Amino acid sequence: DIQMTQSPSSLSASVGDRVTITCRASDDISKSLAWYQQRPGKAPKLLLYAASRLESGVPSRFSGSGSGTDYTLTISGLQPEDFATYYCQQYQSTPYTFGQGTKLEIK
Amino acid sequence: QVQLVQSGPEVKKPGASVKVSCKASGYRFTSYGISWVRQAPGQGLEWMGGISGYNGNANFAQKFQGRVTMTTDTSTSTAFMEVRSLRPDDTAVYYCARISATRLFDIWGQGTMVSVSS
Repeated sequence: DIQMTQSPSSLSASVGDRVTITCRASDDISKSLAWYQQRPGKAPKLLLYAASRLESGVPSRFSGSGSGTDYTLTISGLQPEDFATYYCQQYQSTPYTFGQGTKLEIK
Repeated sequence: QVQLVQSGPEVKKPGASVKVSCKASGYRFTSYGISWVRQAPGQGLEWMGGISGYNGNANFAQKFQGRVTMTTDTSTSTAFMEVRSLRPDDTAVYYCARISATRLFDIWGQGTMVSVSS
């Protein structure tokens, strides 16, 4: 199984800040990497796929990059609605696996 | 609009079974698969397995093989997931998600809370 390791596990930031979350896979996943946002009590929402492609309707302040085993999610100009938990997920091979999550909190 | 609507919360005793439904609307059910993902309280996301809406073929994460069944009813555009021999550590929110041909989980159900307690 491919293990996904996210860091940090939690992060405090202010509205307007730029933040970066990293995700490392235990094997090359060839950019088969998605990022999800989950607000409390809600289902996850797909933000980006193929490491850097924005899902329709997702604001352009979200961006992603990476290749091989190392990937990043960047949020530029944090908005109040962005404070949530973020998960990376590899879909290169089953079992599809998620990172443990990064909780983004308001400073 | 495209949506997945899941069945309501369940409370079960250890050793029992639970069957969760996921009704799709707004798209051609047979053109996509359905994956099931669970989330224990305060924990992360865990993929359980998935099923093709086209032919009903399913695959599972190894830890769930033999204890979980996934089925579909194309006449009602509904997917089902049954977990048998429930244990307290099966207490979780269970989500269904539409999975595209490119393996993206692009639409999610609202989640079904399953509580297992004696």
